Amino acid sequence: EIVMTQSPATLSVSPGEIATLSCRASQSVSVSLAWYQQEPGQAPRLLIYGASTRATGTPARFSGSGSGTEFTLSISSLQSEDFAVYYCQQYKTWPTFGQGTKVEIK
Amino acid sequence: EVQLLESGGDLVQPGGSLSLSCAASGFTFANFVMSWFRQAPGKGLEWVSALSGDGLTPTYADSVKSRFTISRDNSRNTLYLQMDSLRGEDTATYYCAALLGATTAVAFWGQGTLVTVSS
Repeated sequence: EIVMTQSPATLSVSPGEIATLSCRASQSVSVSLAWYQQEPGQAPRLLIYGASTRATGTPARFSGSGSGTEFTLSISSLQSEDFAVYYCQQYKTWPTFGQGTKVEIK
Repeated sequence: EVQLLESGGDLVQPGGSLSLSCAASGFTFANFVMSWFRQAPGKGLEWVSALSGDGLTPTYADSVKSRFTISRDNSRNTLYLQMDSLRGEDTATYYCAALLGATTAVAFWGQGTLVTVSS
């Protein structure tokens, strides 16, 4: 099983600032990496797949990068609706998720 | 608009059984690999099972293998999950999901149905 590790667990950011979230895989997943956003009480929503391709409807302020074992999700100019939990997921093999990063208002 | 609507979640005793359904609309259901994921209260996401578009190739996480059975009825645009020999650790919100192309990234998620296993 490929283990996904996200950091930090919680990120405190002021509206309008940049947030940078990290995700590490225990072995290479190439670019088979997705990011999801989950708001409280809601289902997750696909933001990024293929490590850097924005899903339909994902605002341009979200960008993904990385390959192999190290990945980053950047959110520029945080909006109120961006405060949520973010999960990375590898799909090189049957899917596994990171434990999540909560982005909260500073 | 794509919609995935789960139903069947309930309180069940350990060792009991439960069947979940997921009604799909807004896309060509038979063309998509479908999957179940779950999320225990306050925890992260876990993949449970997946099924090919033709219904012939199921796969399961080790944690549910031999206890859960995934199936689908393409004529009714519906996905199912039969859960037997339920344990406390199966308590979670179960999400139905449509996978993205030939990957196991999730293109669309349902809103989830809560399964509670407790005496």
